[in-house]
Amino acid sequence: AQSVTQPDIHITVSEGASLELRCNYSYGATPYLFWYVQSPGQGLQLLLKYFSGDTLVQGIKGFEAEFKRSQSSFNLRKPSVHWSDAAEYFCAVVPNFGNEKLTFGTGTRLTIIP
Amino acid sequence: DAGVTQSPTHLIKTRGQQVTLRCSPKSGHDTVSWYQQALGQGPQFIFQYYEEEERQRGNFPDRFSGHQFPNYSSELNVNALLLGDSALYLCASSSDFSGEEETQYFGPGTRLLVL
Repeated sequence: AQSVTQPDIHITVSEGASLELRCNYSYGATPYLFWYVQSPGQGLQLLLKYFSGDTLVQGIKGFEAEFKRSQSSFNLRKPSVHWSDAAEYFCAVVPNFGNEKLTFGTGTRLTIIP
Repeated sequence: DAGVTQSPTHLIKTRGQQVTLRCSPKSGHDTVSWYQQALGQGPQFIFQYYEEEERQRGNFPDRFSGHQFPNYSSELNVNALLLGDSALYLCASSSDFSGEEETQYFGPGTRLLVL
């Protein structure tokens, strides 16, 4: 079955430290890939997306993600986190063109310690 | 440029009641999707509306229905509410003609509590 996996339920990092959030997908073909962020009680904000081309994509707020076809992964990274990055992060996929149904992972909650 | 808006922000209902949630898409968008996000979970796709028709549907019962108006705004209706319907309901909009067809932008959500 098609699925999106975020292996880490909760991650804690120190402010200023680097961050990597993992996402793996299981689909027959390479889907379109997204990362969204959700602050407590809020909706989802799009951080970045990958459709094709350069496998390293830049997003807002200093985030980037790298698509690795061989590993079916789309990990999110940030070189230096800020306290305001504390939130829930969701990886999502759209399986094929013309099908806009987003399938989400279960999310990773990021806590920042001073 | 107004983003996706939803109303109301919060709602409390009792079991068996009916509820209507509203969504206005981002300017220039013509497609509206609805998602249910239970506490501690990722959003689950309910359905999508385009040109006033339901284009796709997720694994939700017929108690969940929707509508899209000529101005592209949309409503989500849930009948015979169950305790398990308590969740954050998210609306997302996108455009088939914007050049970023597969990108959905989300509203702030409506928090529904069923007692």
